[in-house]
Amino acid sequence: DAGVTQSPTHLIKTRGQQVTLRCSPISGHKSVSWYQQVLGQGPQFIFQYYEKEERGRGNFPDRFSARQFPNYSSELNVNALLLGDSALYLCASSLAGTGDPLPGNTIYFGEGSWLTVV
Amino acid sequence: RKEVEQDPGPFNVPEGATVAFNCTYSNSASQSFFWYRQDCRKEPKLLMSVYSSGNEDGRFTAQLNRASQYISLLIRDSKLSDSATYLCVVNSPDSSYKLIFGSGTRLLVRP
Repeated sequence: DAGVTQSPTHLIKTRGQQVTLRCSPISGHKSVSWYQQVLGQGPQFIFQYYEKEERGRGNFPDRFSARQFPNYSSELNVNALLLGDSALYLCASSLAGTGDPLPGNTIYFGEGSWLTVV
Repeated sequence: RKEVEQDPGPFNVPEGATVAFNCTYSNSASQSFFWYRQDCRKEPKLLMSVYSSGNEDGRFTAQLNRASQYISLLIRDSKLSDSATYLCVVNSPDSSYKLIFGSGTRLLVRP
Protein backbone atom coordinates (compact mmCIF):
# COMPACT_ATOMS: atom_id res chain seq x y z
CA ASP A 1 0.00 0.00 0.00
CA ALA A 2 1.21 3.49 -0.80
CA GLY A 3 2.15 5.68 2.10
CA VAL A 4 1.73 9.42 2.25
CA THR A 5 2.98 10.86 -1.02
CA GLN A 6 4.16 14.41 -1.52
CA SER A 7 5.23 16.40 -4.54
CA PRO A 8 7.47 17.91 -5.59
CA THR A 9 10.30 16.41 -3.56
CA HIS A 10 12.65 19.31 -4.14
CA LEU A 11 12.15 22.78 -5.52
CA ILE A 12 13.91 26.12 -5.68
CA LYS A 13 11.99 29.38 -5.76
CA THR A 14 12.90 33.06 -5.76
CA ARG A 15 11.88 35.50 -3.06
CA GLY A 16 8.43 36.90 -3.73
CA GLN A 17 7.26 33.91 -5.74
CA GLN A 18 4.45 31.57 -4.82
CA VAL A 19 4.63 27.82 -4.31
CA THR A 20 2.10 24.99 -4.18
CA LEU A 21 2.93 21.72 -2.47
CA ARG A 22 0.78 18.63 -2.83
CA CYS A 23 -0.02 15.70 -0.61
CA SER A 24 -1.94 12.45 -1.04
CA PRO A 25 -2.81 10.75 2.24
CA ILE A 26 -2.82 7.03 2.84
CA SER A 27 -5.87 5.45 1.25
CA GLY A 28 -8.79 5.70 3.67
CA HIS A 29 -7.24 8.47 5.75
CA LYS A 30 -9.40 11.56 6.02
CA SER A 31 -7.13 13.86 8.00
CA VAL A 32 -4.17 15.74 6.56
CA SER A 33 -1.82 18.01 8.47
CA TRP A 34 1.04 20.16 7.28
CA TYR A 35 4.27 20.86 9.17
CA GLN A 36 7.29 23.03 8.47
CA GLN A 37 10.71 21.81 9.57
CA VAL A 38 13.55 24.30 9.48
CA LEU A 39 17.07 22.87 9.64
CA GLY A 40 18.03 21.97 13.19
CA GLN A 41 14.51 22.28 14.55
CA GLY A 42 11.59 19.94 15.05
CA PRO A 43 8.57 20.14 12.75
CA GLN A 44 6.12 22.98 13.45
CA PHE A 45 2.39 22.58 12.91
CA ILE A 46 0.90 24.70 10.13
CA PHE A 47 -2.59 23.31 9.38
CA GLN A 48 -4.85 20.35 9.94
CA TYR A 49 -7.74 19.43 7.64
CA TYR A 50 -10.33 16.78 8.35
CA GLU A 51 -13.18 15.96 6.02
CA LYS A 52 -12.24 18.99 3.91
CA GLU A 53 -12.59 21.43 6.80
CA GLU A 54 -9.80 23.29 8.53
CA ARG A 55 -9.58 21.97 12.08
CA GLY A 56 -6.47 23.72 13.26
CA ARG A 57 -4.00 26.39 12.34
CA GLY A 58 -0.56 27.05 13.72
CA ASN A 59 1.21 30.34 14.26
CA PHE A 60 1.97 31.09 10.61
CA PRO A 61 1.21 34.25 8.61
CA ASP A 62 -1.67 34.54 6.17
CA ARG A 63 0.78 33.94 3.33
CA PHE A 64 0.29 30.28 4.18
CA SER A 65 -2.96 28.68 3.08
CA ALA A 66 -4.17 25.18 2.41
CA ARG A 67 -7.15 23.20 1.28
CA GLN A 68 -8.34 19.63 1.16
CA PHE A 69 -10.11 18.11 -1.81
CA PRO A 70 -13.02 15.63 -1.94
CA ASN A 71 -10.54 12.79 -2.44
CA TYR A 72 -8.78 13.94 0.79
CA SER A 73 -5.62 15.06 -0.99
CA SER A 74 -4.35 18.45 0.05
CA GLU A 75 -2.39 21.44 -1.19
CA LEU A 76 -0.32 23.89 0.79
CA ASN A 77 0.21 27.30 -0.78
CA VAL A 78 2.76 29.85 0.29
CA ASN A 79 2.68 33.33 -1.25
CA ALA A 80 5.32 36.06 -1.31
CA LEU A 81 8.10 33.66 -0.38
CA LEU A 82 10.78 34.79 2.05
CA LEU A 83 14.24 33.34 2.55
CA GLY A 84 13.05 32.10 5.94
CA ASP A 85 10.45 29.88 4.28
CA SER A 86 13.25 27.57 3.17
CA ALA A 87 12.46 24.32 4.94
CA LEU A 88 11.24 20.76 4.69
CA TYR A 89 7.45 20.76 4.39
CA LEU A 90 5.91 17.60 5.77
CA CYS A 91 2.44 16.26 5.19
CA ALA A 92 0.96 13.87 7.73
CA SER A 93 -2.15 11.75 7.40
CA SER A 94 -4.28 9.87 9.89
CA LEU A 95 -7.46 7.89 9.80
CA ALA A 96 -9.38 10.28 12.01
CA GLY A 97 -9.07 13.94 12.80
CA THR A 98 -10.50 13.83 16.25
CA GLY A 99 -10.18 11.62 19.23
CA ASP A 100 -7.14 9.91 20.56
CA PRO A 101 -4.19 9.71 18.15
CA LEU A 102 -3.00 6.35 19.45
CA PRO A 103 -2.83 2.98 17.67
CA GLY A 104 -5.43 2.91 14.94
CA ASN A 105 -5.19 6.62 14.54
CA THR A 106 -1.43 6.80 14.17
CA ILE A 107 -0.12 9.83 12.32
CA TYR A 108 2.08 9.00 9.34
CA PHE A 109 4.40 11.45 7.63
CA GLY A 110 5.29 11.71 3.97
CA GLU A 111 8.90 12.13 2.87
CA GLY A 112 8.40 15.84 2.53
CA SER A 113 9.03 18.60 0.03
CA TRP A 114 12.34 20.41 0.32
CA LEU A 115 11.82 24.08 -0.50
CA THR A 116 14.75 26.41 -1.02
CA VAL A 117 14.06 30.11 -1.44
CA VAL A 118 16.88 32.14 -2.98
CA ARG B 1 10.14 28.97 27.00
CA LYS B 2 9.79 26.24 24.38
CA GLU B 3 6.74 24.01 24.68
CA VAL B 4 8.88 20.87 24.40
CA GLU B 5 12.54 20.99 25.38
CA GLN B 6 15.25 18.44 24.64
CA ASP B 7 19.01 18.32 24.94
CA PRO B 8 20.21 18.60 21.32
CA GLY B 9 23.24 16.37 21.91
CA PRO B 10 24.92 14.84 20.06
CA PHE B 11 25.21 11.78 22.23
CA ASN B 12 28.19 9.81 20.93
CA VAL B 13 28.16 6.26 22.33
CA PRO B 14 29.81 2.93 21.47
CA GLU B 15 27.82 0.00 20.19
CA GLY B 16 26.23 -1.91 23.03
CA ALA B 17 25.95 1.11 25.30
CA THR B 18 22.81 2.20 27.10
CA VAL B 19 21.75 5.77 26.46
CA ALA B 20 18.92 7.86 27.88
CA PHE B 21 17.22 10.93 26.50
CA ASN B 22 15.07 13.31 28.48
CA CYS B 23 12.44 15.80 27.52
CA THR B 24 10.25 18.29 29.37
CA TYR B 25 6.97 19.79 28.23
CA SER B 26 5.33 22.98 29.41
CA ASN B 27 1.59 22.39 29.12
CA SER B 28 0.25 20.15 31.84
CA ALA B 29 -2.97 19.64 29.85
CA SER B 30 -1.19 17.60 27.17
CA GLN B 31 -2.58 14.08 27.03
CA SER B 32 -0.60 12.14 24.43
CA PHE B 33 3.13 11.65 24.26
CA PHE B 34 5.39 10.10 21.67
CA TRP B 35 8.94 9.51 20.60
CA TYR B 36 9.63 9.85 16.88
CA ARG B 37 12.82 8.92 15.10
CA GLN B 38 14.14 10.96 12.19
CA ASP B 39 17.01 9.86 9.98
CA CYS B 40 19.07 12.45 8.15
CA ARG B 41 16.97 14.19 5.49
CA LYS B 42 14.06 11.80 6.02
CA GLU B 43 10.59 12.15 7.50
CA PRO B 44 9.89 11.52 11.20
CA LYS B 45 8.65 8.03 12.01
CA LEU B 46 6.80 6.99 15.13
CA LEU B 47 9.11 5.04 17.42
CA MET B 48 6.69 4.57 20.28
CA SER B 49 3.87 6.13 22.18
CA VAL B 50 4.49 6.89 25.84
CA TYR B 51 2.00 5.75 28.45
CA SER B 52 1.65 6.85 32.06
CA SER B 53 2.62 3.40 33.32
CA GLY B 54 5.75 3.34 31.19
CA ASN B 55 6.17 1.02 28.26
CA GLU B 56 8.81 -1.07 26.60
CA ASP B 57 9.36 -2.14 23.01
CA GLY B 58 12.34 -4.42 22.66
CA ARG B 59 15.45 -2.41 23.51
CA PHE B 60 13.47 0.80 23.94
CA THR B 61 11.78 1.92 27.15
CA ALA B 62 9.73 5.09 27.53
CA GLN B 63 8.65 6.70 30.78
CA LEU B 64 6.29 9.55 31.57
CA ASN B 65 6.21 11.61 34.75
CA ARG B 66 3.14 13.82 34.60
CA ALA B 67 3.87 15.54 37.90
CA SER B 68 7.26 16.73 36.65
CA GLN B 69 6.10 17.03 33.01
CA TYR B 70 9.00 14.88 31.99
CA ILE B 71 9.38 12.16 29.36
CA SER B 72 12.31 9.83 28.90
CA LEU B 73 13.55 7.29 26.37
CA LEU B 74 16.07 4.59 27.24
CA ILE B 75 17.87 2.64 24.53
CA ARG B 76 19.69 -0.49 25.63
CA ASP B 77 22.37 -2.36 23.67
CA SER B 78 22.75 0.44 21.11
CA LYS B 79 23.18 -0.56 17.47
CA LEU B 80 24.84 1.39 14.69
CA SER B 81 21.41 1.60 13.08
CA ASP B 82 20.08 3.52 16.09
CA SER B 83 22.04 6.57 14.92
CA ALA B 84 19.38 9.19 14.22
CA THR B 85 17.64 12.20 15.74
CA TYR B 86 15.04 11.39 18.39
CA LEU B 87 12.13 13.79 18.62
CA CYS B 88 10.04 14.16 21.76
CA VAL B 89 6.44 14.93 20.81
CA VAL B 90 3.33 15.89 22.75
CA ASN B 91 -0.14 16.67 21.50
CA SER B 92 -1.56 20.15 21.84
CA PRO B 93 -4.33 20.41 24.40
CA ASP B 94 -6.23 22.39 21.72
CA SER B 95 -6.29 19.45 19.35
CA SER B 96 -5.23 15.85 19.64
CA TYR B 97 -3.96 15.98 16.09
CA LYS B 98 -1.73 18.99 16.51
CA LEU B 99 1.65 17.60 17.46
CA ILE B 100 4.24 19.73 19.20
CA PHE B 101 7.79 18.58 18.53
CA GLY B 102 10.97 19.17 20.44
CA SER B 103 14.06 20.11 18.46
CA GLY B 104 15.39 16.59 18.73
CA THR B 105 18.34 14.84 20.31
CA ARG B 106 20.98 13.50 17.96
CA LEU B 107 22.42 10.07 18.67
CA LEU B 108 25.61 8.76 17.08
CA VAL B 109 26.48 5.13 17.75
CA ARG B 110 30.07 4.30 16.86
CA PRO B 111 31.60 0.86 16.18
